[in-house]
Formats: sequence, C-alpha cells, structure tokens
Amino acid sequence: EVQLLESGGGLVQPGGSLRLSCVASGFTFSSFAMNWVRQAPGKGLEWVSGLSGSGDSTYYADSVKGRFTISRDNSKNTLCLQMDSLRAEDTAVYSCVKGGHPLVKGYGLDVWGQGTTVTVSS
Amino acid sequence: QSVLTQPPSASGTPGQRVTISCSGSSSNIGSNYVYWYQQLPGTAPKVLIYRNNQRPSGVPDRFSGSKSGTSASLAISGLRSEDEADYYCATWDDTLSGNVFGTGTKVTVL
Repeated sequence: EVQLLESGGGLVQPGGSLRLSCVASGFTFSSFAMNWVRQAPGKGLEWVSGLSGSGDSTYYADSVKGRFTISRDNSKNTLCLQMDSLRAEDTAVYSCVKGGHPLVKGYGLDVWGQGTTVTVSS
Repeated sequence: QSVLTQPPSASGTPGQRVTISCSGSSSNIGSNYVYWYQQLPGTAPKVLIYRNNQRPSGVPDRFSGSKSGTSASLAISGLRSEDEADYYCATWDDTLSGNVFGTGTKVTVL
C-alpha cells in the first residue's frame, strides 16, 4: 500500500521559512515523479511544484517560483519542499502527492498524503 | 485564478445522472490528458479518472470521463448519497509548464 507521510508544517511569520518533508513507502520511490499540492482553508486545490523521479526536472507554479524549492533523496524515499519568503497567502494544507509516471509533465497525480498545515501569520 | 473552469455546484436525486464540465484551452486540455479527483469531506483527494477516460481499479463504473477538444466531462450515473463530495478536473498546461486544477464542483445529493 502506498503511504505518504508529511511533516514540518507550523506557524511562521510573514517573510519566514519552513521546510516540509514527506516520507514515502509502498512503492519504488525513484520510479515516480512527486508533487506538492496545497489547499487553502475553504478553497480549491492548487498544484505547487513537481519533480521527476530522477530528480533532474523541476516545475513550479508561478505563485511560488523563486521562493520555494523542491528536492528529493531517493536513497531515503524522501521528498522536501523548502519554503522561503512566506506570505499570508501561502497559508494552506500542503500535501505530498505521488505522480503516475517518472516524468511530471502530463501524467497526473495519483495518491495523496494527508497533508501538513502551514500558517503564515504575525 | 484557475485556467480550468468548472460549475461551482451540481445536484441530483439518488439514481439520477449528473454531469460536470471542465473547460480549458488548447494549451492544457486540448493537448494533454485529463484527470478527475473526488474529495470527500475532510479527506484527501482520490483519483477517479486518469488519462481522460480510464478508471483505476476499485472505482465504480458509475463514474465515466470523456474529452472533446478543449473540454472534458465527468459523468456520475446512478447517483448515491456517498457521492456527495467536491470534484476537480486537472491536466498539464504547456504554456504554464505545470499542472493545473479546475475550480472544483460541489455535488449534492438531494
């Protein structure tokens, strides 16, 4: 069974930083792209970033480009999201999501973790 | 503001058929696979349809997906109370170089 367990969320002041982690199990981690998707309170889903299975292709939503950095360690089955220069509008539940293919582009998302909550407020 | 437009709500009585539309453009739906996700209240989203019209194992055949040009649709036939949820379409956008989600549709079973 595929399992994705996120951690690292919390309360941070505007302009601050947080690092989210996701530990994966139940599948060959390096064979699949991984993504982060967020959902603000009472709002819809927003894709944040994606990373190919090999780690050599990264993609970001315009809303986070230049502020967030996605990375993975295939030896530890771990996905990370470094979030810098955080803003109030980044407040959301952040979920780690497995892709359906080694490549990010065009192959969708298939399994979600339960998410970790990030609150940006002074 | 999403590039994929869905109706905010849809409803039906048990047993009825409900259809949800997802409107996009040539840079997203028009040139990439469409996926549909169901989010039950308080839970993580689950994939209902992948690659336009394929159902993962375990998804009832009451759910079906289709795509034509720059639009896609999700149909739920034989509506049940447990189908009350939010539904999202998604695809890749070649111009944005990223995945995009639809605005979401809340389905209510009357």
